Amino acid sequence: QKEVEQNSGPLSVPEGAIASLNCTYSDRGSQSFFWYRQYSGKSPELIMSIYSNGDKEDGRFTAQLNKASQYVSLLIRDSQPSDSATYLCAVPYGQNFVFGPGTRLSVLP
Amino acid sequence: NAGVMQNPRHLVRRRGQEARLRCSPMKGHSHVYWYRQLPEEGLKFMVYLQKENIIDESGMPKERFSAEFPKEGPSILRIQQVVRGDSAAYFCASSLSALEQFFGPGTRLTVL
Repeated sequence: QKEVEQNSGPLSVPEGAIASLNCTYSDRGSQSFFWYRQYSGKSPELIMSIYSNGDKEDGRFTAQLNKASQYVSLLIRDSQPSDSATYLCAVPYGQNFVFGPGTRLSVLP
Repeated sequence: NAGVMQNPRHLVRRRGQEARLRCSPMKGHSHVYWYRQLPEEGLKFMVYLQKENIIDESGMPKERFSAEFPKEGPSILRIQQVVRGDSAAYFCASSLSALEQFFGPGTRLTVL
């Protein structure tokens, strides 16, 4: 059973703080990982991909991957109210993707 | 460059009718994926197609659901004899390399 787990939240952070979102996966052989953002009533939007251990930074977003611990995280620096959304972790398993249940983030002004 | 296009955006059907959902991938993308999302729930994989081929349909219900991606034209997800439990958002995603997927706006299906 291929699983991707996330805390469902809601995760509430004040504006300007760092939001930390976590994801664990079950398949030790997984090689690529993706973070999507989904606003309420909208479709998922790809915001980060990461393929190797360590950190990958893109603007205010940093993805962190630890394959030994089967753990991938997303950090959002200087959180803004517009970051309030559900964040989905996705891991390819074979020919398809498995999405985590998502973490709902609320950034409070 | 247009993104992934889906139509219709909203579809209302009565129980027992057929629903046809269309997806045009991004230009140059040959990999198409269909997902279903129930209200307040996560995305569930349904089927993965390449041109004229179904690659993985492990997430598709065995009855009433079918999908195709013909050589010409959009990918079609077809639901026959819809039931109320089919009411959901159906998302299509396309990919250039079977890695990063880009989603369309979705079709919201309501079954009365």
